[in-house]
Amino acid sequence: GESVGLHLPTLSVQEGDNSIINCAYSNSASDYFIWYKQESGKGPQFIIDIRSNMDKRQGQRVTVLLNKTVKHLSLQIAATQPGDSAVYFCAENKGGYSTLTFGKGTMLLVSP
Amino acid sequence: GAVVSQHPSRVICKSGTSVKIECRSLDFQATTMFWYRQFPKQSLMLMATSNEGSKATYEQGVEKDKFLINHASLTLSTLTVTSAHPEDSSFYICSAPTGANQPQHFGDGTRLSIL
Repeated sequence: GESVGLHLPTLSVQEGDNSIINCAYSNSASDYFIWYKQESGKGPQFIIDIRSNMDKRQGQRVTVLLNKTVKHLSLQIAATQPGDSAVYFCAENKGGYSTLTFGKGTMLLVSP
Repeated sequence: GAVVSQHPSRVICKSGTSVKIECRSLDFQATTMFWYRQFPKQSLMLMATSNEGSKATYEQGVEKDKFLINHASLTLSTLTVTSAHPEDSSFYICSAPTGANQPQHFGDGTRLSIL
């Protein structure tokens, strides 16, 4: 599984900017990828997912990009708002009911 | 959307106490649920997979006699931290997928503090 870091990387942006959060995964057998948002004191909240047969998927204000060649996943948030401030985790599994492996997380701080 | 409810949200108790945490899927059935532990400013660490009607599968290093899991129905899994000690203090979170190849939905966690 992923190693767990002691310090969260932080991305600081201004309100209205576009944000890009990156994630590298290690298991080339992973078939399903998810981005979660976690606010302080709460459980992770599902944002968007993508399967390995796709390289891009769009939601409301969010886009996930998957590059299987370099095992890289990114989350783009358009017109970032203060309410987007949270820790964002990528997660991966091999589909079915298999267990999720979480990335280390990135803290997004949005200034008004 | 799919809702997973976790109770209690916060527990403060003395060392040696056993604590039970409940995880319920409110609007779907979950044959599989997952239990995680999270330390401050760190990622989620999977503790075990809870399987309805059968024994839980524990991750390496997780003591099954310490963290008892029961998944007696399709909507409820419980995690009991037995004889809890201060080092068991943590944020415990459960999740459940709505189906195969579907995202896991998480409860809001239980903050366990052992004095």
